[in-house]
Amino acid sequence: NAGVTQTPKFQVLKTGQSMTLQCAQDMNHEYMSWYRQDPGMGLRLIHYSVGAGITDQGEVPNGYNVSRSTTEDFPLRLLSAAPSQTSVYFCATLRGQGGNEQYFGPGTRLTVT
Amino acid sequence: GNSVTQMEGPVTLSEEAFLTINCTYTATGYPSLFWYVQYPGEGLQLLLKATKADDKGSNKGFEATYRKETTSFHLEKGSVQVSDSAVYFCALSASTGRRALTFGSGTRLQVQP
Repeated sequence: NAGVTQTPKFQVLKTGQSMTLQCAQDMNHEYMSWYRQDPGMGLRLIHYSVGAGITDQGEVPNGYNVSRSTTEDFPLRLLSAAPSQTSVYFCATLRGQGGNEQYFGPGTRLTVT
Repeated sequence: GNSVTQMEGPVTLSEEAFLTINCTYTATGYPSLFWYVQYPGEGLQLLLKATKADDKGSNKGFEATYRKETTSFHLEKGSVQVSDSAVYFCALSASTGRRALTFGSGTRLQVQP
């Protein structure tokens, strides 16, 4: 099992460009989420999904869109990148029934110039 | 809302020293509590967890006890090694509703030989 995979590992964007960060899991976990990690602030929740077809906003959703068409994939879209979105992005999964341990992907380091 | 407060770093120790990283939380109900570790250039790994009051989580010589009366979950290790150098995050997961993690800001540990 690959667990949680994220692509790309590194990305540099110019202000105003758009891109999609990919997240895939092969554990058949119902719950998936996206966090961003900024120095001195821990990780903050951007969006999450409790199952295919269902998404909701977290603490810092502005500037990001998500969709969940399958259990396996949960892409994060930046519509018009801004320097404030320079961060490390982590995808995480959680087993639905009774699970409380989240599994993290390796992260994507994004720089917006 | 839920929140996690942990001691600021960096914490610098000599090898074989005793480690304590303080963590306190604010949450309604009975959250689950976690310590995650992030080694340089890597994603987050679950170090240990506790799901109810007075539970003790332990792993790799690290321990933390869920203290509801003091709303704390302090991380301890009796004898640190250079390989323990990393950033440690305390986190909680609510017992109801959204199951995302709320993280503390992280504490960097540096162990010197």
